[in-house]
Amino acid sequence: KAGVTQTPRYLIKTRGQQVTLSCSPISGHRSVSWYQQTPGQGLQFLFEYFSETQRNKGNFPGRFSGRQFSNSRSEMNVSTLELGDSALYLCASSEVGQTAFFGQGTRLTVV
Amino acid sequence: GIQVEQSPPDLILQEGANSTLRCNFSDSVNNLQWFHQNPWGQLINLFYIPSGTKQNGRLSATTVATERYSLLYISSSQTTDSGVYFCAVELNDYKLSFGAGTTVTVRA
Repeated sequence: KAGVTQTPRYLIKTRGQQVTLSCSPISGHRSVSWYQQTPGQGLQFLFEYFSETQRNKGNFPGRFSGRQFSNSRSEMNVSTLELGDSALYLCASSEVGQTAFFGQGTRLTVV
Repeated sequence: GIQVEQSPPDLILQEGANSTLRCNFSDSVNNLQWFHQNPWGQLINLFYIPSGTKQNGRLSATTVATERYSLLYISSSQTTDSGVYFCAVELNDYKLSFGAGTTVTVRA
């Protein structure tokens, strides 16, 4: 089975722009979740989707949004980028109640 | 929210040494996983271990759910074991809460 695939791997954006990150889960996995990793805050939960429904959302401003498609692929969007949004964004997929598998991440730099 | 504390924050080992990493959590959990973050940032699964003991090669883990802690053992450490080890727990809320990690450096 192919692993979790995140695209793009690296991204440089300017303050005020918006960005869309993509995550393709392991085949058969219906749960997809997103995490932000920064040196100061560590790994923080953004949101989780299951069968196109958001079941939980972390404590992030409304500029952070996501969605899941019928094929379980997920996207997250960050609008009006700020310097503090520079981070490694990680996506994970899992079957219900099972091990979460992570992708390689998207490293976003906001300048 | 649930608190996850990992200790020690940093660990320096000589190749061949054994070590124990600890993860304490503040509430009953449905899920506990150990990860190793590689130099490129990917989180690699080590164990899914909400309770009991598991072994995989030189690594083993034990979770005592009633006492709210988990231990990760590294035996005969190798330089490739270097990196950051994370413990993550899940309540019944579809999200993993991570500890701050233990940075392991294995010297040849």
